[in-house]
Amino acid sequence: DIQMTQSPSSLSASVGDRVTITCRASQSISSYLNWYQHKPGKAPRLLIYAASTLESGVPSRFSGSGSGTDFTLTISSLQPEDFATYCCQQSHTTPWTFGQGTKVEIK
Amino acid sequence: QVQLQESGPGLVKPSETLSLTCTVSGGSISSYYWSWIRQPPGKGLEWIGYIFYNGNTNDNPSLKSRVTISVDTSKNQFSLKVSSVTAADTAVYFCARLFYYSGNPILDYWGQGTLVTVSS
Repeated sequence: DIQMTQSPSSLSASVGDRVTITCRASQSISSYLNWYQHKPGKAPRLLIYAASTLESGVPSRFSGSGSGTDFTLTISSLQPEDFATYCCQQSHTTPWTFGQGTKVEIK
Repeated sequence: QVQLQESGPGLVKPSETLSLTCTVSGGSISSYYWSWIRQPPGKGLEWIGYIFYNGNTNDNPSLKSRVTISVDTSKNQFSLKVSSVTAADTAVYFCARLFYYSGNPILDYWGQGTLVTVSS
């Protein structure tokens, strides 16, 4: 199975901060990398797919980059509604696998 | 807007079969793939498997053939069964729609999840 390693596992940030989360695959997955936002008790939300394509309706402060094994999710200016857990997922090879998640907390 | 809702028992005894149903509203189950994902307490998400509306399936070998995913197009529902459960199967179970965008499979709509606890 392809292992997905996210870092950091958690971070504290303030409203307005720029936040960067990284995801590394154990082997090349081209651009088959998706990012999700998850809040407790709610349905996970697709943010970015194919490494850098913003899902419809997702604010432009979210962006994704990378290919091969190294990927990044960036929130350019953190908003109150962005405090959540973010996880990456590879869709290159089944079984599809997820990162462990990064919890973004209020500083 | 497509919405998904998981339903089923919240408590299952060890060695028994876990059964969940996902009801799809706001769109037809036909012409799409549908998936199950779970998250054990304190751990990351784990993909369980998917089914096409015509019944073709693909599941995660880590569950050692204990998984059955089925679809009922007349009810706009799909279901998950996990047999011979143990405490390790305790998790929040999510259903999701699987959409292929230019060959890239993405989980674009999710249910909010349902906690299933395996305990005697």
